Amino acid sequence: EAQVTQNPRYLITVTGKKLTVTCSQNMNHEYMSWYRQDPGLGLRQIYYSMNVEVTDKGDVPEGYKVSRKEKRNFPLILESPSPNQTSLYFCASSLGRGARETQYFGPGTRLLVL
Amino acid sequence: ELKVEQNPLFLSMQEGKNYTIYCNYSTTSDRLYWYRQDPGKSLESLFVLLSNGAVKQEGRLMASLDTKARLSTLHITAAVHDLSATYFCAVTGTASKLTFGTGTRLQVTL
Repeated sequence: EAQVTQNPRYLITVTGKKLTVTCSQNMNHEYMSWYRQDPGLGLRQIYYSMNVEVTDKGDVPEGYKVSRKEKRNFPLILESPSPNQTSLYFCASSLGRGARETQYFGPGTRLLVL
Repeated sequence: ELKVEQNPLFLSMQEGKNYTIYCNYSTTSDRLYWYRQDPGKSLESLFVLLSNGAVKQEGRLMASLDTKARLSTLHITAAVHDLSATYFCAVTGTASKLTFGTGTRLQVTL
């Protein structure tokens, strides 16, 4: 089944404890992206990747890192999480041409930073 | 900077009624998406609109695009409870970015 998977789905952590949220897609998509969703703000792009080893900042990249060593995986890293990073995170992927193709979203990761 | 505004933010409507959700965007774009999100779920693609005057329909939902007015509408015909969800429009600015509106939470009551 074609899908985007994220792990973990739920995470409670404490300020400053490094964490990684994994994202994987099995559709051979070139483009992958991370969004955070907050009430009243819609979805905001954190980072995106046009292809392997090509990543760039979105609208709200502060406090996050990403890497794209393989085409299928695009992990989101919070080196030192803070409470303002409590949010719902979505990974998405699309076949090519960046955001000019329909994006397929993962199930989401709900993060609480205490 | 591309901005995308939706209205209304919240819509409560009775079953059987019609209504329209509006999506305005601030800079030229040639591609607009509508997504649906059920509570606690991910986003599901509904429509992609590619050109001025484009109209797409699926069941009781119809989306249209006016690129000159920078406006898209999502029209709901004879609403049913199953349509209760949050609807997002999203606009492609640069090739790498998709900018979302804040969403319209639709509640269809019996």
